[in-house]
Amino acid sequence: ETGVTQTPRHLVMGMTNKKSLKCEQHLGHNAMYWYKQSAKKPLELMFVYNFKEQTENNSVPSRFSPECPNSSHLFLHLHTLQPEDSALYLCASSQVPRGSLYEQYFGPGTRLTVT
Amino acid sequence: ENVEQHPSTLSVQEGDSAVIKCTYSDSASNYFPWYKQELGKGPQLIIDIRSNVGEKKDQRIAVTLNKTAKHFSLHITETQPEDSAVYFCAAPEGTTDSWGKLQFGAGTQVVVTP
Repeated sequence: ETGVTQTPRHLVMGMTNKKSLKCEQHLGHNAMYWYKQSAKKPLELMFVYNFKEQTENNSVPSRFSPECPNSSHLFLHLHTLQPEDSALYLCASSQVPRGSLYEQYFGPGTRLTVT
Repeated sequence: ENVEQHPSTLSVQEGDSAVIKCTYSDSASNYFPWYKQELGKGPQLIIDIRSNVGEKKDQRIAVTLNKTAKHFSLHITETQPEDSAVYFCAAPEGTTDSWGKLQFGAGTQVVVTP
């Protein structure tokens, strides 16, 4: 595997379900990000992890819970979601603060549908 | 940082040029990437520019930066059907932050017709 991978690619879940999204980066980066992409809206940054520590939580509802066990893996745990949470969830990684600052590499995303 | 992107959709004939423009609000911003997102894929970094240069080219794509006016543009020449995608611009959320957070524009749907 190369680059940034995400699983699953598609997920349909009910509002009472609990599921997790997984992201893995094979680039040796030290920062990872979760974004939400909704139709007709800019990418919304949800969480930032640097050296496994969460450095950002952009007022994301508690029904989204991130986990970063090491610098290569990032999870997004989901529970009791709402239909408006349906979106494409993108993971990205970068090497900060050295290297190409801000140069982020994205995974293919998980298309989430909440029914 | 606020990043505004125009137009939201752009239709061009194959072989013509396409230009997308973005404006930003933070005069201290120093890095401006452009991403291309094809259907079913994540955004891919295609070109970026730093504040110490005014223009950068890579084959058929180029980016120009006007720091005085606080805008930067993506230029695609000799467009081809495979250039059809959504293009996003971005700018850093503050220059003192070392965690690489970006603010993205709303995106431009580019359609290249043969």
